[in-house]
Amino acid sequence: RKEVEQDPGPFNVPEGATVAFNCTYSNSASQSFFWYRQDCRKEPKLLMSVYSSGNEDGRFTAQLNRASQYISLLIRDSKLSDSATYLCAVNGGYSGGGADGLTFGKGTHLIIQP
Amino acid sequence: EAGVAQSPRYKIIEKRQSVAFWCNPISGHATLYWYQQILGQGPKLLIQFQNNGVVDDSQLPKDRFSAERLKGVDSTLKIQPAKLEDSAVYLCASGGGMNTEAFFGQGTRLTVV
Repeated sequence: RKEVEQDPGPFNVPEGATVAFNCTYSNSASQSFFWYRQDCRKEPKLLMSVYSSGNEDGRFTAQLNRASQYISLLIRDSKLSDSATYLCAVNGGYSGGGADGLTFGKGTHLIIQP
Repeated sequence: EAGVAQSPRYKIIEKRQSVAFWCNPISGHATLYWYQQILGQGPKLLIQFQNNGVVDDSQLPKDRFSAERLKGVDSTLKIQPAKLEDSAVYLCASGGGMNTEAFFGQGTRLTVV
């Protein structure tokens, strides 16, 4: 069974700091990678997709390292509103003879302190 | 564009009772997922549909859980009989294809007492 691992945290960082999360995945055949944000008692919301070449959206940068089988998320100049749980998700690939669905890690809890 | 619709939002039942959840995905989305999220954990995939066919149900407890998507659009997830450990948020998500991003509904918060 495909596994996706994240450091659960919590990460306590001061406002304005840079914070980075990693997420490892076990299935080398995985094809798609995403970061989601989940606020307390809300549904997960797509933050960004992760491409082989890396991608950036404002203060957020996502990277994929296929050789080491991990994805990363970097948040620069963190804001109080960035406090949330960040979930990585991995899709595609096949294991045990069947297709694998979109699998999530357990999430990393981020707390931005004023 | 309308998002993923789920109902009910909340449900409280006694153990050994049955319960059903409904999901209507984003229009045109072929892929539909059901997830179980227990407090403090990430979403756990229960079942994935591609149109009206099952792609992955390897983590669905088939002795008590069932799901269907008969016409390839909306879907229902049923638990019968419920156990205390089934208390969780049940999230439905949909996507345009098997390897694309998924968009979530607001979820159904189930409490089994």
